[in-house]
Amino acid sequence: SAVISQKPSRDICQRGTSLTIQCQVDSQVTMMFWYRQQPGQSLTLIATANQGSEATYESGFVIDKFPISRPNLTFSTLTVSNMSPEDSSIYLCSVEDPAGGMNTGELFFGEGSRLTVL
Amino acid sequence: RKEVEQDPGPFNVPEGATVAFNCTYSNSASQSFFWYRQDCRKEPKLLMSVYSSGNEDGRFTAQLNRASQYISLLIRDSKLSDSATYLCAVNTPLVFGKGTRLSVIA
Repeated sequence: SAVISQKPSRDICQRGTSLTIQCQVDSQVTMMFWYRQQPGQSLTLIATANQGSEATYESGFVIDKFPISRPNLTFSTLTVSNMSPEDSSIYLCSVEDPAGGMNTGELFFGEGSRLTVL
Repeated sequence: RKEVEQDPGPFNVPEGATVAFNCTYSNSASQSFFWYRQDCRKEPKLLMSVYSSGNEDGRFTAQLNRASQYISLLIRDSKLSDSATYLCAVNTPLVFGKGTRLSVIA
C-alpha cells in the first residue's frame, strides 16, 4: 500500500482567492489522480496528474480553474483558482497501488483537504 | 443515464442481519470493478475487488453480472462496525457511485 499525505487538511478561504493543495506519496507511483467530493455526493474525478506533461482533465474541469503540477513521481499539487462558495468540497489525492502494476484500478486515497469558501 | 448508480439508502439493519447492495454501470466495456468503504469524514478505502467469477472475503461476497451490467455486495452477519457508506467503482480511472449508507443497529 501507499502512504499519502495531503496538506492542508482543511482551510477556510475567501471568495476570489486561490488555494494550492499538496499531495506527497511515500513511494514512486505512475498514476496520480485528483478527486472532488462535494457535500452528500460521491467522488468526481477532476484530472489525472501526469509526470512531465500536462494533466488530463475530465469533462467539466479546466486547467485555468484547477491547475495541476506533477514535478516527479511522488508529488503533485492541485490549485483551486478564483474560488467561489460552489468550490467548497473535499479534495482528495489518490494513487494506484504501486505494487499492483499499472491499470489495476485499485486506488489509495489521501485523507483529503476540506475546503470551505466564504 | 449516469455511469454508475447505487441506491443511496440508508439501509438500517439489526446486528446479525444479511444485507445486499446493488450497483449498475452503463459502460458495457468496463473491465474493473470494486467496492470501497467510506466512514464518516474519512477517505474511501478499498473493501474488495470484484472478479468475474465472484469472490468472497470473510463475511463479504461480491458478484459481477456482465449481462445485466451490475455488481453486488453481500454482507452476512452484520456487525456494528460495518456501519459506513459503501461505494461501487468501475473502470480505470475509477468512476464512483454515490454510495449506499448502511447503519447496523444493536
